[in-house]
Amino acid sequence: GIQVEQSPPDLILQEGANSTLRCNFSDSVNNLQWFHQNPWGQLINLFYIPSGTKQNGRLSATTVATERYSLLYISSSQTTDSGVYFCAVGSLAGGTSYGKLTFGQGTILTVHP
Amino acid sequence: ETGVTQTPRHLVMGMTNKKSLKCEQHLGHNAMYWYKQSAKKPLELMFVYNFKEQTENNSVPSRFSPECPNSSHLFLHLHTLQPEDSALYLCASSRVLGSSGNTIYFGEGSWLTVV
Repeated sequence: GIQVEQSPPDLILQEGANSTLRCNFSDSVNNLQWFHQNPWGQLINLFYIPSGTKQNGRLSATTVATERYSLLYISSSQTTDSGVYFCAVGSLAGGTSYGKLTFGQGTILTVHP
Repeated sequence: ETGVTQTPRHLVMGMTNKKSLKCEQHLGHNAMYWYKQSAKKPLELMFVYNFKEQTENNSVPSRFSPECPNSSHLFLHLHTLQPEDSALYLCASSRVLGSSGNTIYFGEGSWLTVV
């Protein structure tokens, strides 16, 4: 099956700093989502971005599908940004992927005040 | 609030008990999913339902039994579980066809501890 690798595994920032999280995947995808998992376990949708660039406030994401990677940018980080960030992809293999997402291991982000 | 509600949020059960997890979505979606998140492991897809029909069982042991009575509700029936089944169980939903805009939305999860 498709492989998803995220880097870095851990990231510690001072409040106000910027960061870039990376997601590499091993096959063509028709679905790519970034999630933030809060301390209570809930996965919050950040972006649906199988290709292109999107921005939402201090967050933005870019997926270069032909090169099989996606980047999540966090600018002016805040303590509330702490948590685990997951990249998840749906592969083109086997037809419509619905929500059969394959998740990466996640990046644990800690933002200190 | 994502439009996907799970109950209970926390469950402790013995290995001989029978319990159920419930999921309800208010998004008008037709596909629903169960995912499992164990410590130190990526989220794993367990089951997929499309218009109430199971379309995927990702080699899940039979002690986990899903039920989807309609497109808005999904259950996970649990019986004779093992301590290693302790995990966060996440329900999700999405629209059915087409890759465009097929965003998946997760519930808050049910923390299960098997003792």
